[in-house]
Amino acid sequence: DGGITQSPKYLFRKEGQNVTLSCEQNLNHDAMYWYRQDPGQGLRLIYYSQIVNDFQKGDIAEGYSVSREKKESFPLTVTSAQKNPTAFYLCASTKTHSGSYEQYFGPGTRLTVT
Amino acid sequence: AQTVTQSQPEMSVQEAETVTLSCTYDTSENNYYLFWYKQPPSRQMILVIRQEAYKQQNATENRFSVNFQKAAKSFSLKISDSQLGDTAMYFCAFMVNYGGATNKLIFGTGTLLAVQP
Repeated sequence: DGGITQSPKYLFRKEGQNVTLSCEQNLNHDAMYWYRQDPGQGLRLIYYSQIVNDFQKGDIAEGYSVSREKKESFPLTVTSAQKNPTAFYLCASTKTHSGSYEQYFGPGTRLTVT
Repeated sequence: AQTVTQSQPEMSVQEAETVTLSCTYDTSENNYYLFWYKQPPSRQMILVIRQEAYKQQNATENRFSVNFQKAAKSFSLKISDSQLGDTAMYFCAFMVNYGGATNKLIFGTGTLLAVQP
């Protein structure tokens, strides 16, 4: 079955450590996205990538970094510069130029930094 | 800048009844899409329904339908014959159609719907 996988489901880190969240898709989608979800704030866009080896900052990119070396993979690194990293992180993908623009979401990773 | 507003943080409905969730948005663009996503307790985001702004006919998906009022910039979701499995957070989302490039979703803050038995 095609879909988006995110691992791990729960992640715990100490303050000051960088941590990388995994996102893999086998839907042959071109574009991939990272969102952050906090209580009462909906989803906010961190980074997105339309094609391999290219990505753009979203609305809240500070303290995060990404790479897109393969079409299937779009890992997100939460750096020690992110002041409030504890949140639920969602990865999504979409097939551009398809006419529907529906974004498909992964199951998410809950990151807790103490 | 585009914004999406959901003014009902929480709602409750009895099983088998009908409920309407409100959403308004603000944009100066003319070509865009609107979506309703559902996030159950599992936290998996699931697309419920989609509406293209150029279509006058309201979208319908089984028990889910929308009331799209373009002039009023309103996009409400109606759930008929509510079921316990409809209990979830519902997000309204907006996307400008730039023809395939930079299609970013802008989300509202969500409405938590509880279906009571």
